[in-house]
Amino acid sequence: QKEVEQDPGPLSVPEGAIVSLNCTYSNSAFQYFMWYRQYSRKGPELLMYTYSSGNKEDGRFTAQVDKSSKYISLFIRDSQPSDSATYLCAMSDGNTGKLIFGQGTTLQVKP
Amino acid sequence: EAGVVQSPRYKIIEKKQPVAFWCNPISGHNTLYWYLQNLGQGPELLIRYENEEAVDDSQLPKDRFSAERLKGVDSTLKIQPAELGDSAVYLCASSLGPDTQYFGPGTRLTVL
Repeated sequence: QKEVEQDPGPLSVPEGAIVSLNCTYSNSAFQYFMWYRQYSRKGPELLMYTYSSGNKEDGRFTAQVDKSSKYISLFIRDSQPSDSATYLCAMSDGNTGKLIFGQGTTLQVKP
Repeated sequence: EAGVVQSPRYKIIEKKQPVAFWCNPISGHNTLYWYLQNLGQGPELLIRYENEEAVDDSQLPKDRFSAERLKGVDSTLKIQPAELGDSAVYLCASSLGPDTQYFGPGTRLTVL
């Protein structure tokens, strides 16, 4: 079993929809949780960064961490065609400096 | 501020040939990472440098892969000899702290 599990999708939604992306993990030592966005043939771009449990909002994006359930989510409100990309969750324990990534979920927002 | 720079962006070689990738991290970032990303997968760490020192190379296949970071800035990742299974995207990332990593565009390697 992988340390971080992420549904690869693909996920297709109409423009304006609310998108929910999720990851589960098994390592209770993880303290830092990130979401990266990766466009085709580009490197991953840091989107959201959260420490420990709780919510964090940045514009149309909201990241949630539930450490008791070992579950993290990224919500995208009013999705746009420009949000079409692969979204990668990543996490670390803060000691090793090693990020463990999920497989990535491919999102397509249709106009 | 300039981001992480990598070159070349694309490389096609025949199996058993050597290949090298270069990375210039964000200025001031002491930590540098090399990742391997296979198609449809998340990046996987190959090696992490703190300044000039490789502090985690446990996932680097040392029989054919090598890396160096002279003077604690630029880094080079080498494969010799390349195998068909090495076809992937090689990503370089850098960070100030242990967690917020910034990635370059990657080098897409195709081994024929």
